[in-house]
Amino acid sequence: KNEVEQSPQNLTAQEGEFITINCSYSVGISALHWLQQHPGGGIVSLFMLSSGKKKHGRLIATINIQEKHSSLHITASHPRDSAVYICAVWGGSQGNLIFGKGTKLSVKP
Amino acid sequence: DGGITQSPKYLFRKEGQNVTLSCEQNLNHDAMYWYRQDPGQGLRLIYYSQIVNDFQKGDIAEGYSVSREKKESFPLTVTSAQKNPTAFYLCASSLGVASGGSADTQYFGPGTRLTVL
Repeated sequence: KNEVEQSPQNLTAQEGEFITINCSYSVGISALHWLQQHPGGGIVSLFMLSSGKKKHGRLIATINIQEKHSSLHITASHPRDSAVYICAVWGGSQGNLIFGKGTKLSVKP
Repeated sequence: DGGITQSPKYLFRKEGQNVTLSCEQNLNHDAMYWYRQDPGQGLRLIYYSQIVNDFQKGDIAEGYSVSREKKESFPLTVTSAQKNPTAFYLCASSLGVASGGSADTQYFGPGTRLTVL
C-alpha cells in the first residue's frame, strides 16, 4: 500500500469550475507539501503546511492531521492551471519526503 | 536570478556507459537532493546531501553515485550498474534537511530526461 495516496488520478474540468484534489497519508508527518508539475517537467512548490489552512491567490490547501488528509482547492479554474499536482509528506524512514503519484488536471476553455 | 539549473535537459546514452547529470544552485542552500521520476510513479529519492563533503543514500541509491565537493554543486552519476536508467531526474535544494519535526521548502530544478538506448 502506498504511504501517500492521491485522488483522483486524472481530472478534467471546464474553465471556471471549483476543483478539489485529495491526499491521504498513512505515516506520521511533520509537514505536507503540495507541488505543481507543468508539462515541461519543472516542479514548483505551492504550499507547505502542518496544520489548518493556507491560501495563495486562487489556491487553498487544508490539512486535517487527525484524519491524515489534505485537500488542494482551486477556485475559478483556468486552462493555465492544467498541470500535475503532487502531494508529498515529510516522514520517511530517513526523514525524507514521500511523494504521491500525482493528479493530472486538465482545464478546458 | 536565484535558482537551480540542471543540464542537459535531454540526454541520450548507450547501454553500459556511465553518465553524469549536472545540478547547480545559487540559493546558498545547504541541502541538495536527487530524485527519479518514472511514469505513473511518485518521485523517489536517490541521494541527498546535508552539507559539503557529506551525502546519504536515499530509497533507490543502487547504481548511482554522487559527490558534494562544493556547496553549489551536486552531480549525479548514473553508472552501468543501474538496471533501468531511463527516467526523468530532478534535483532539488533546501535551506536544510528536516530534523526534529521541522521542514524546509524544496526548490526543484527543471529536470533532465535520460534515455538509454
